[in-house]
Amino acid sequence: GAVVSQHPSWVICKSGTSVKIECRSLDFQATTMFWYRQFPKQSLMLMATSNEGSKATYEQGVEKDKFLINHASLTLSTLTVTSAHPEDSSFYICSASHRDNSGELFFGEGSRLTVL
Amino acid sequence: AQSVTQPDIHITVSEGASLELRCNYSYGATPYLFWYVQSPGQGLQLLLKYFSGDTLVQGIKGFEAEFKRSQSSFNLRKPSVHWSDAAEYFCAVGLYNFNKFYFGSGTKLNVKP
Repeated sequence: GAVVSQHPSWVICKSGTSVKIECRSLDFQATTMFWYRQFPKQSLMLMATSNEGSKATYEQGVEKDKFLINHASLTLSTLTVTSAHPEDSSFYICSASHRDNSGELFFGEGSRLTVL
Repeated sequence: AQSVTQPDIHITVSEGASLELRCNYSYGATPYLFWYVQSPGQGLQLLLKYFSGDTLVQGIKGFEAEFKRSQSSFNLRKPSVHWSDAAEYFCAVGLYNFNKFYFGSGTKLNVKP
């Protein structure tokens, strides 16, 4: 099956620093990638939708200057948490939809961010 | 407001018993509907999906779901639960030609021996 890989799986950073999380589709081309945030014991909250080569579309309430998303190629999207604060600590998950638009989402393993 | 609702936060069933997890959505048009399962420490796995056609869809691991337009529901069922089914289950909807995906709050399933 299609594989989506996230890196890093775990990251701990100091408050005020920026952190970049990568999401790669390893064996398929993903026209659309999604970034989610999952709080403990809660569901996935859609943060933004990114299409290759265009600006990401952010959900209401998500700060686009805080969470920078780049989708430079059909296999790579990045999420950069800028000037991270402890309240940004969370589990971030990316997913990708196949170029054939079959409707199935393939999920990365998630990245746990802890901001000290 | 548009939403995906899973009214049951936790469900406990005995092994071998039947299971039904509820999901309701509130969107103007019929969305594309999905059920995902998330096991502890693992990512999400697609169980089944509904786009159109037969309203009863079969998925992996013996799961099925039925789309009921009149009730805006897409409930997940399994006739006989196995201990390995203990996990968290998420209903999701896809909109606008899959450019938007939203998840319900999840239902955590516990299975008693």
